[in-house]
Amino acid sequence: SYELTQPPSVSVSPGQTARITCSGDALAKYYTYWYQQRSGQAPVLVIYEDNKRPSGIPERFSGSDSGTMATLTISGAQVDDEADYYCYSTDTSDNHRGVFGGGTKLTVL
Amino acid sequence: QVQLEQSGTEVKMPGASVKVSCKVSGYTLTETSIHWVRQAPGKGLDWMGGFDPEDDERIYAQKFQGRVTMTEDTTTDTAYMELSSLTSEDTAVYYCVMGLLSENNYWGRGTLVTVSS
Repeated sequence: SYELTQPPSVSVSPGQTARITCSGDALAKYYTYWYQQRSGQAPVLVIYEDNKRPSGIPERFSGSDSGTMATLTISGAQVDDEADYYCYSTDTSDNHRGVFGGGTKLTVL
Repeated sequence: QVQLEQSGTEVKMPGASVKVSCKVSGYTLTETSIHWVRQAPGKGLDWMGGFDPEDDERIYAQKFQGRVTMTEDTTTDTAYMELSSLTSEDTAVYYCVMGLLSENNYWGRGTLVTVSS
């Protein structure tokens, strides 16, 4: 089955740039979406279609895509950004079934 | 204002079925597609299935194929997810999601399903 691979954890100091990667073969063919999930809350979309930011999401959140790897970048990370981040995409070779990455715990301290 | 209101906490015996509802307000189901995602305690997000508008059909994750049924009542704008043959591994929070592949992306607050004897 199709998988998306993320690092389990990323740690930065406040004001630094955090980069979270997501790798998978089908990312070269389909969009990547990024979700933020704070403890005890439902996920929130922070990036859609590789690099677009929904309204209300701070400009410090950006997305990029390079072949089979997508990256979520948080420029000038804040303590409030501490959360779990998940990438999501679909497997175009498997009837567009969806898949989430395993998630990355971002620590900002 | 778009809201997805999910049904309440469920406790089920192993082998039973559960049916979770998700009522949409501020949108009609004919205008959008609903997906279901679950999250076991302390674990990551797990896509279960949803409506694929490109192929105009409902698709399910292979791991749930044969055990899950997703339906929609357009007269009440309510989506349902029924999961059968429950085991303890199905203990999770179940979310309905509108516009999973869209900027107009909304999540329900989640329904906790506990499977325990």
